[in-house]
Amino acid sequence: GNSVTQMEGPVTLSEEAFLTINCTYTATGYPSLFWYVQYPGEGLQLLLKATKADDKGSNKGFEATYRKETTSFHLEKGSVQVSDSAVYFCALSVSYSGAGSYQLTFGKGTKLSVIP
Amino acid sequence: EPEVTQTPSHQVTQMGQEVILRCVPISNHLYFYWYRQILGQKVEFLVSFYNNEISEKSEIFDDQFSVERPDGSNFTLKIRSTKLEDSAMYFCASSQETGVGYEQYFGPGTRLTVT
Repeated sequence: GNSVTQMEGPVTLSEEAFLTINCTYTATGYPSLFWYVQYPGEGLQLLLKATKADDKGSNKGFEATYRKETTSFHLEKGSVQVSDSAVYFCALSVSYSGAGSYQLTFGKGTKLSVIP
Repeated sequence: EPEVTQTPSHQVTQMGQEVILRCVPISNHLYFYWYRQILGQKVEFLVSFYNNEISEKSEIFDDQFSVERPDGSNFTLKIRSTKLEDSAMYFCASSQETGVGYEQYFGPGTRLTVT
């Protein structure tokens, strides 16, 4: 089956520190990979995505590269801000022939707190 | 910017009672989803809905669960007889189309507490 494993939190960083949140996956078929972010009191928002091997997704200074050889999609940011404090979810979806609903399979989420 | 809304934000119910969780998807979206997250665990897919019928469901989505689009705007999840293990955060999502190019937009969630 499909599964996503991401590093346990919480993660606390000082402003301008470097962020890495590890994510690895197992999938039947060829997955697309996503990072979602949930700010306090809000729904999950798509942060970035990558649909094939070696693609790099990027948004708001965050980056993640689809590594098929290591089945990983680690999230990185060079300099975090207080406003980046949120819960980050790694997720995948797999396309099947005959098209399904592209359900997302999520990791547990990693809570990031950035302190001034 | 259009957004998915969910009501209530928090629902407390007694075991065995029926609950209905409500969602208003984005107005021009055609695909609708429910996910849930038990505290400390992963966000799990429950069901997807298109063209007034279920298109896919997980093994979690048993006969106690049902979904409905009663009018042109609402999308509901009903749990007929709640159990303690149904306590979770329930997220509704919608997308304009299905496929990796189309983002699923999530609501803020309803926290269901079964006592």
